[in-house]
Parts: sequence; structure tokens; C-alpha cells
Amino acid sequence: GAVVSQHPSRVICKSGTSVKIECRSLDFQATTMFWYRQFPKQSLMLMATSNEGSKATYEQGVEKDKFLINHASLTLSTLTVTSAHPEDSSFYICSARVRYSTGELFFGEGSRLTVL
Amino acid sequence: DAKTTQPNSMESNEEEPVHLPCNHSTISGTDYIHWYRQLPSQGPEYVIHGLTSNVNNRMASLAIAEDRKSSTLILHRATLRDAAVYYCILSPRGGSQGNLIFGKGTKLSVKP
Repeated sequence: GAVVSQHPSRVICKSGTSVKIECRSLDFQATTMFWYRQFPKQSLMLMATSNEGSKATYEQGVEKDKFLINHASLTLSTLTVTSAHPEDSSFYICSARVRYSTGELFFGEGSRLTVL
Repeated sequence: DAKTTQPNSMESNEEEPVHLPCNHSTISGTDYIHWYRQLPSQGPEYVIHGLTSNVNNRMASLAIAEDRKSSTLILHRATLRDAAVYYCILSPRGGSQGNLIFGKGTKLSVKP
């Protein structure tokens, strides 16, 4: 099946710094990628939809200036957590769908962010 | 978005079949039924999806009720590696965004 890869898988940073997480579709083109956040023992929460070549669409309550999303190519989307604080510590997961497909979503391995 | 209802948790014995139920009484005619599972500290993994007819693949079977208001994911022989949270999700056919809204899912425990 198609592969989505995230990097880094784990990151620890100091409060106030910015962290970038990459999401790559390794063997297919993805015009749309999705970013989710998951707190411990909770379900995934959709943060935003990343569209190649255009601005991301953010879910209600998600600060677009804090969570910067860039989808510069058909195989790469990045999420930058700016001025991170301890409450931003979470498991961030991206997903992508094969272009023109209405079938399955492929998820990355997730990136665990810990803000000290 | 149409919602789904799943039991919070289920237990199974290894090598026995497991039937994971999902209710979706407000499903629309064009909603696909998707199942994903998530192992601890990993991203979700696609299991199966269907629209009206029952579906089989190498991982599982999906049985869809005739009125489509419920479905059941069937793992034919549970293994310890099947212990995960299983999510039943409705997705509009070719939806404008194609995103999936996750509920709480069913946490499946498999006993040796």
C-alpha cells in the first residue's frame, strides 16, 4: 500500500521555540493532506486540511498563526508549531489520500512533541 | 457529519473470531463506512471500507446491515497484534475534503 512518512518521530523542545514536522507521501501524489492531533487516551482531532499550492483550511478553534501549514509539493506538507508551549505537547499525525481516490487514507507514523 | 456509536471496549481470546459493532443510524445514502485501527503510539491503519455490500480483504470482513444503519467488523482469528483501538467512521463519497472525523472507537484487548 501507499506510504506516508513523518519526521521527526519524536521531538523535545524548549518553551517558546518553533518546531517543524514533515509529512511525505513516498510513492504517490497527494493533493490533499490532513493534520491531526491526539492527546493521551483521546481520539484524533482534525486540525487542518492542507492543500497543495493553496492555503490550508483550519478547523474551528485551531490557531492558524500558531500552527503553520505549508504544502509546497504533491508529496510534502509541513506543520510548524510556532512559539510552542507545554500545552502543545501532543501526538501529531498526518494523513494523505491518493490523488483522485475516494478510498482509504494513509497515515504517517505520528510525531510526538514534548515541550518543556 | 453523521455520527457512529461503538462500544468503548471489547475483549477477545487469541485465535477466536471478533465481531466489532458500529451503529450509524443517521447514515446518508452516499456515506461510505470506513474502519481504521490504531496501535499504541502509532498512526491509524486502514482496515476496510464499504458502501452497501459486504466486503472482505486479507485483514478483515465488513458486514453491512441491509438498512445500512449498522455494520460489523469481523476479525476472523484474533491475534495479539490485533489489540488496538478500532474506529468506525463515515465518509461522504468523494467528499469535498475527504477528511475523516474520528470518534472514540473501541479498544480491543486480546488475551492469550
